Amino acid sequence: AQKVTQAQTEISVVEKEDVTLDCVYETRDTTYYLFWYKQPPSGELVFLIRRNSFDEQNEISGRYSWNFQKSTSSFNFTITASQVVDSAVYFCALSGNNAGNMLTFGGGTRLMVKP
Amino acid sequence: DVKVTQSSRYLVKRTGEKVFLECVQDMDHENMFWYRQDPGLGLRLIYFSYDVKMKEKGDIPEGYSVSREKKERFSLILESASTNQTSMYLCASSLNGGGSQPQHFGDGTRLSIL
Repeated sequence: AQKVTQAQTEISVVEKEDVTLDCVYETRDTTYYLFWYKQPPSGELVFLIRRNSFDEQNEISGRYSWNFQKSTSSFNFTITASQVVDSAVYFCALSGNNAGNMLTFGGGTRLMVKP
Repeated sequence: DVKVTQSSRYLVKRTGEKVFLECVQDMDHENMFWYRQDPGLGLRLIYFSYDVKMKEKGDIPEGYSVSREKKERFSLILESASTNQTSMYLCASSLNGGGSQPQHFGDGTRLSIL
């Protein structure tokens, strides 16, 4: 069975602070994929990034960066110099090697960035 | 860009009604999914479909059915709506790809059953 845990249910920061959202996963698959999604107040889930299990390189995209560590089964997401527009619920998700691209979602972390 | 369109952003129905939620995607994706999202419970998979006329139960299929007559359209049906089906419903689609392909989501439908 697969499991994704986002221990932080809610985080509140002040604009321009850096913030890290934690994601820990469990899977028995040797090949798997990790995803992050953003859900702003309007409701739609927006795909942010995908990482596969055999590529542990960290990734940076503007103010966003992701740290994938297989040794600790973690795929953490850092926002640098947070902005009010970053306020959203963020979901981490896991997919094993399955044809249907089924996702196991974490419970989500609500990030509030205050001006 | 992938576009997943859900027919309604907000919907209010009465207990016992038969309710149809429609979802259309424009990228020729094989897979389509229906989730519901409730506070404290995250996203839960109701049904999914690998291909036209194919459907598989997710984690919480009770009280729901689905229809996929065309590749681009996946409908969720509440056979006899009940108040505990008041929720946010999200549709998604993806390509096949051994788990590697991201799901793309619609804007969601906030359904209230009175």
